[in-house]
Amino acid sequence: DQQVKQNSPSLSVQEGRISILNCDYTNSMFDYFLWYKKYPAEGPTFLISISSIKDKNEDGRFTVFLNKSAKHLSLHIVPSQPGDSAVYFCAASPILEYGNKLVFGAGTILRVKS
Amino acid sequence: NAGVTQTPKFRILKIGQSMTLQCTQDMNHNYMYWYRQDPGMGLKLIYYSVGAGITDKGEVPNGYNVSRSTTEDFPLRLELAAPSQTSVYFCASSEHEGRREKLFFGSGTQLSVL
Repeated sequence: DQQVKQNSPSLSVQEGRISILNCDYTNSMFDYFLWYKKYPAEGPTFLISISSIKDKNEDGRFTVFLNKSAKHLSLHIVPSQPGDSAVYFCAASPILEYGNKLVFGAGTILRVKS
Repeated sequence: NAGVTQTPKFRILKIGQSMTLQCTQDMNHNYMYWYRQDPGMGLKLIYYSVGAGITDKGEVPNGYNVSRSTTEDFPLRLELAAPSQTSVYFCASSEHEGRREKLFFGSGTQLSVL
C-alpha cells in the first residue's frame, strides 16, 4: 500500500527545458512534503519542501507546487541542467506523528541531455 | 566536513550470518535513523533514535537491532541474515525532532544476502 506514489520511473529532458516531476499521495493526513535528490553512490540530499498551508514554494531553479484537493505535488526545474540528472524522491510527513516518520515515494530518475 | 559516514559500502552475506552496519555523524545531531531501500520502492524506516540511550521501532524493524550509546554512533545489527534483507541501507540524522526537519543521509550500504 504505497501512500506516496511517483508513477514515472524515469524522465528524459533536454538541457535548458523544464523538468516536471510528479508525486501523488493518498493519505489526507499528510501536511508537509519534501523533495530529496540522490546521485549514484551517494545518499539523498534535501532539495526543497512545502507546507500544506501553501500551494507553491520556490528556491532558485526549483519550484514545488501543491494541489491539496488532487493530493498531488510536482517539482519543476527550470532551466534543467545536466548536473540535475539524479533520482528525485518525494516524501510526505503526517500530522500528529511523533518523530520524523517520513513516507517516501519510489523515486523518479531524471536524465538531462546536453 | 564528513557529515554522516556509513561503513561498509558493500557487503555480501551468507544466509544466517550476522553483521553490523556502522553509522557515525559529526554534526552533534540528536536524531538518527536507519532506512532501507528496495528496488522500485521508497525508503522505509527501520529504527530511529531521539538521543543516546533511546531507540524506537520504525515501519520495518523485524530482523534488526540497534543501539545508541553515544550521540555520534548508531549501529544497525542483523543477527540472522535472510535474503529478504538484501537491500540498500541508509543512515540519516537530523538536528531536531520534527516532521519538518530535513534529514542528512550517509552514502549507503549495499547488502546482498545469498
